[in-house]
Amino acid sequence: SQQGEEDPQALSIQEGENATMNCSYKTSINNLQWYRQNSGRGLVHLILIRSNEREKHSGRLRVTLDTSKKSSSLLITASRAADTASYFCATDDSGGGADGLTFGKGTHLIIQP
Amino acid sequence: DTEVTQTPKHLVMGMTNKKSLKCEQHMGHRAMYWYKQKAKKPPELMFVYSYEKLSINESVPSRFSPECPNSSLLNLHLHALQPEDSALYLCASSLRPGRTEAFFGQGTRLTVV
Repeated sequence: SQQGEEDPQALSIQEGENATMNCSYKTSINNLQWYRQNSGRGLVHLILIRSNEREKHSGRLRVTLDTSKKSSSLLITASRAADTASYFCATDDSGGGADGLTFGKGTHLIIQP
Repeated sequence: DTEVTQTPKHLVMGMTNKKSLKCEQHMGHRAMYWYKQKAKKPPELMFVYSYEKLSINESVPSRFSPECPNSSLLNLHLHALQPEDSALYLCASSLRPGRTEAFFGQGTRLTVV
C-alpha cells in the first residue's frame, strides 16, 4: 500500500532556481529515503534520513524530517537541467512488518534551461 | 561493483508464453526485491528475499513466481500473464533487510500482447 504522498505532483522551474518537494506519510518509520528516477529507468538513492534526525545535507540536497507531522521535504539548490527527473520519497515500516520500501506518488521535476 | 544488473532490458511476450527475468548483484547484499512500476506511478513492492528466503509476498498473483538460487541472483518467472501486467519490473538489493538504502537495476520493460 502506498504511504508517502508527494507534493507537488509536477514542478517546472528555471535552471538555477531552487526546487522544493514535500512528502507526507502515515505510519511510524525507521527512516525516510529520497530517490530519483530518470525517464523509465532505475531509481537512484539520493539521501536517507533517520527518524531521530531533523535535517540532513548532501551536496546540493537538503532534506528535513518532521516526525510529529509525518512529513519530509527535499530541497535541491541551484538546479541544473540534469536534475530533470521524478523524485520519490520512500519509507520502511518500523513495525517490523514489510522489509521493502513503500514509495510516495512522486514529483516530476522539470528544469527549464 | 555497485551495480544491480537486470536482463533482458525489454521483453515482449504472449499471454501463453513462459519467460524469466533475471537480476544479479555482487555487492554481498543479503536482501533482494522485485518491484512493479506502471507508467507515471511509483514502484510497488512484489517480493522480498532476506538471506535467500522469501519473506514477503504482497499478494501477488501466482502467475509471477520468484526464485533466489543464491545470494547474488534473483529470478522472476512469468507464466500466463495478462496485458495489464505490462510494466517496468525493477530489481533492487540492500545490504540487509529493511533499514538501508536500496540499489536498483535499470529494469525490464515488459509488454504482454
